[in-house]
Amino acid sequence: DADVTQTPRNRITKTGKRIMLECSQTKGHDRMYWYRQDPGLGLRLIYYSFDVKDINKGEISDGYSVSRQAQAKFSLSLESAIPNQTALYFCATSDATSGGDYEQYFGPGTRLTVT
Amino acid sequence: QKEVEQNSGPLSVPEGAIASLNCTYSDRGSQSFFWYRQYSGKSPELIMSIYSNGDKEDGRFTAQLNKASQYVSLLIRDSQPSDSATYLCAVKGAGSYQLTFGKGTKLSVIP
Repeated sequence: DADVTQTPRNRITKTGKRIMLECSQTKGHDRMYWYRQDPGLGLRLIYYSFDVKDINKGEISDGYSVSRQAQAKFSLSLESAIPNQTALYFCATSDATSGGDYEQYFGPGTRLTVT
Repeated sequence: QKEVEQNSGPLSVPEGAIASLNCTYSDRGSQSFFWYRQYSGKSPELIMSIYSNGDKEDGRFTAQLNKASQYVSLLIRDSQPSDSATYLCAVKGAGSYQLTFGKGTKLSVIP
């Protein structure tokens, strides 16, 4: 079974729609992250959370919001999707309690297309 | 702006050869360094982490770190076609809570 799962895996939506991407993990890790990956631009951090009460903006948070519903769940929302948010989105986790603070483990990704 | 630079490739090596992947970073105070492998259409997979100057070996993989030169590399011995992928270098800067990723080097191992 996958340790980090993301739903949906693929999504096509229209400009202006609200969409939520969900991430769940069974690794027991305390830290969770959302990235997007675009061809030629690499992986860029959107938001990160070090525990349920800690949410931080990353490099490119404009147009996105997040919710950490539980230690194992971290959701990313696009309040009003626009075409340049078309990308591959990854959730990742890491475990500060074991000393691997920044050894991040990625989910399978969500391919989002905004038309 | 903290930068992590990698040659985009593609780097082509024959099967059985040593593949050498390089990464430079701009933040001199960077503390932690990671190599990820990403197959086309898949998610990044952590291969190696290195925190101290010198070499760290894990199976066919060796990570090398030189903080004075701000340089980290990944060597893959006895390269196999299954090693064909994009390799991402990631760096945690001083005082940062984030990883900065390079854009990756595409490796092609030719049978």
